[in-house]
Amino acid sequence: EPEVTQTPSHQVTQMGQEVILRCVPISNHLYFYWYRQILGQKVEFLVSFYNNEISEKSEIFDDQFSVERPDGSNFTLKIRSTKLEDSAMYFCASSRTTGRVTYEQYFGPGTRLTVT
Amino acid sequence: EDQVTQSPEALRLQEGESSSLNCSYTVSGLRGLFWYRQDPGKGPEFLFTLYSAGEEKEKERLKATLTKKESFLHITAPKPEDSATYLCAARMDSNYQLIWGAGTKLIIKP
Repeated sequence: EPEVTQTPSHQVTQMGQEVILRCVPISNHLYFYWYRQILGQKVEFLVSFYNNEISEKSEIFDDQFSVERPDGSNFTLKIRSTKLEDSAMYFCASSRTTGRVTYEQYFGPGTRLTVT
Repeated sequence: EDQVTQSPEALRLQEGESSSLNCSYTVSGLRGLFWYRQDPGKGPEFLFTLYSAGEEKEKERLKATLTKKESFLHITAPKPEDSATYLCAARMDSNYQLIWGAGTKLIIKP
């Protein structure tokens, strides 16, 4: 069964460093997403991506964040200058959403980011 | 403000003891209500999508229902392996992001 994969599973970085989190969405999906979940808190939406551009983003997704689909399979989240409060589990998701029909989003296993 | 609220926060049941989890929502123009299961340290695992009031979906010991204000996840004769956090999320008419509840942590004791 197709699944979303994410690497690395755990990333430790120092404050101020740049990190890139990587995701391979399900191959026939059109929409891609990043969410984060701070330990013990709700899942929070960061950004959605369709047709090689951001379709929507939350207030959390400020200028330190960027997303890219560098090739036909990978989808990346870059955090330019990490802060302590960026420590969280980051989930990538993908869906077949095509507009009027809302399909479910499938999630990867997550990358645990620890900023020290 | 668009919001999804789940109750209870935690629920402990004996194996075989049926119960229901609640998800109430206040979103403008519901486009879909989603249930997920999340095990510790893992990503949410999709369970159900509900689109309109009155709709029901079933999978093994789980049944999800939807009204105009809330959704229920009924669990019948649960087993210890059903222990997990159950999350509900709503998608609004105006965008694609999911608005999440805080989850119900379900513990099934053998």
